[in-house]
Amino acid sequence: RKEVEQDPGPFNVPEGATVAFNCTYSNSASQSFFWYRQDCRKEPKLLMSVYSSGNEDGRFTAQLNRASQYISLLIRDSKLSDSATYLCVVPPPGKLIFGQGTELSVKP
Amino acid sequence: EAQVTQNPRYLITVTGKKLTVTCSQNMNHEYMSWYRQDPGLGLRQIYYSMNVEVTDKGDVPEGYKVSRKEKRNFPLILESPSPNQTSLYFCASRYRGMNTEAFFGQGTRLTVV
Repeated sequence: RKEVEQDPGPFNVPEGATVAFNCTYSNSASQSFFWYRQDCRKEPKLLMSVYSSGNEDGRFTAQLNRASQYISLLIRDSKLSDSATYLCVVPPPGKLIFGQGTELSVKP
Repeated sequence: EAQVTQNPRYLITVTGKKLTVTCSQNMNHEYMSWYRQDPGLGLRQIYYSMNVEVTDKGDVPEGYKVSRKEKRNFPLILESPSPNQTSLYFCASRYRGMNTEAFFGQGTRLTVV
C-alpha cells in the first residue's frame, strides 16, 4: 500500500457544485496533515492544515478520520478559480509525503 | 520577504554534463527537501535534510547528490545527467516540527537531451 493515496481524477464539475476529495494514508503515527493547491505546474501552496478532527475555512472544509486513516477536502459552491490540482500531504518525522494529487476542473 | 529561491528556472542540457540546481531559503528552516514531479507520478522526494550536515535519501535518489553545508542552502547536483532526469524539480523548506507548513521554490524545469 502506498504511504499516501489520492484519486487522481480529473473531477469535472459545474460552477456552484460541491465536490469532495479523499486521501488515505498508511502511517498511523502521523499527527498532522495538509492540503496543498498546485496551479498548472507551479509550486504547491498551502491550502489548509488538519490537526484534529477537522478544519473549516470559508468554502473549504478538511476532515480527518484517524480510525479509517483518511482525510477529506470538501469544496462548496465551486468557482472557476478553484480549478487546480489538490495535493494531500502527510508528514511523518523527517519527510513530507505527497499524494499524487487530484485534478479539479470547474466549468461554467 | 520569506521565500525559497531556486535557480535556474529553466535549463536544457546534454547527457553527461554535470549540473547544479541551487536552492536557498531565508526563513532559518531546519528542514529542506528536493522533489521531482512527473506526469502521473506526483511529487516524489529525492533527498531531504533535517539540518546542517545531515542528509537522507528520499524515494528516488539515484543519479542525484545533495549537500547541506549551510542552513540556508541545499543544492541538488546531477553528476552525469540522463534523459530520464528530465523533469520539473521543486525545493521545499520548513521548520522541523510536524505541524509546520512547507514553502516551495518556484520550480526548475530541466530537459536533458
